[in-house]
Amino acid sequence: EAGVAQSPRYKIIEKRQSVAFWCNPISGHATLYWYQQILGQGPKLLIQFQNNGVVDDSQLPKDRFSAERLKGVDSTLKIQPAKLEDSAVYLCASSPRTGGYTEAFFGQGTRLTVV
Amino acid sequence: DAKTTQPTSMDCAEGRAANLPCNHSTISGNEYVYWYRQIHSQGPQYIIHGLKNNETNEMASLIITEDRKSSTLILPHATLRDTAVYYCIVRVPGNAGGTSYGKLTFGQGTILTVHP
Repeated sequence: EAGVAQSPRYKIIEKRQSVAFWCNPISGHATLYWYQQILGQGPKLLIQFQNNGVVDDSQLPKDRFSAERLKGVDSTLKIQPAKLEDSAVYLCASSPRTGGYTEAFFGQGTRLTVV
Repeated sequence: DAKTTQPTSMDCAEGRAANLPCNHSTISGNEYVYWYRQIHSQGPQYIIHGLKNNETNEMASLIITEDRKSSTLILPHATLRDTAVYYCIVRVPGNAGGTSYGKLTFGQGTILTVHP
């Protein structure tokens, strides 16, 4: 089965610019996660979708970050405007269903460098 | 979700068993123990999970103490490719009623280095 696809793999932007990341989860997966991983730290959950609804965005910096999941499938994460501290790897993951045991499958991530 | 405590780093000789401990003394009765690992430049990868019984799959074994306050992940014959950061996570599984969504919260993890 195809895995979680993310693009681009790498992105370099200047501070105050905008950037968008795209994620295509595994087909049929109801739950989609976006994580931010700063170098040397564990991944931090930014937002969690259940189908096309948000169920947790408590750690999303909403003044600059936004995310959407169209038709409960693909998702985009946007940063506008970017700051130097946004330099990180942005990971997308998906899970098969809501109930019971939910293993999350991760993409390879997008490495963002803000200069 | 309950907080977990793991050693910052561990070493293991190739071919030997790697035993990675995790403390989760505040775990609740309905929280599962999950283990993920992250190889350099890749996304985290699921390894194994359990509630209170010991579990084994093709990758590893999970030993959970009777009081569920700690667990150990065992890689029976470590290889160089097992060098990674290992994360122990406790979480409530999602439910169909929508009152719990199985939030997956990562800590700092244990850096396991397997050497020849």
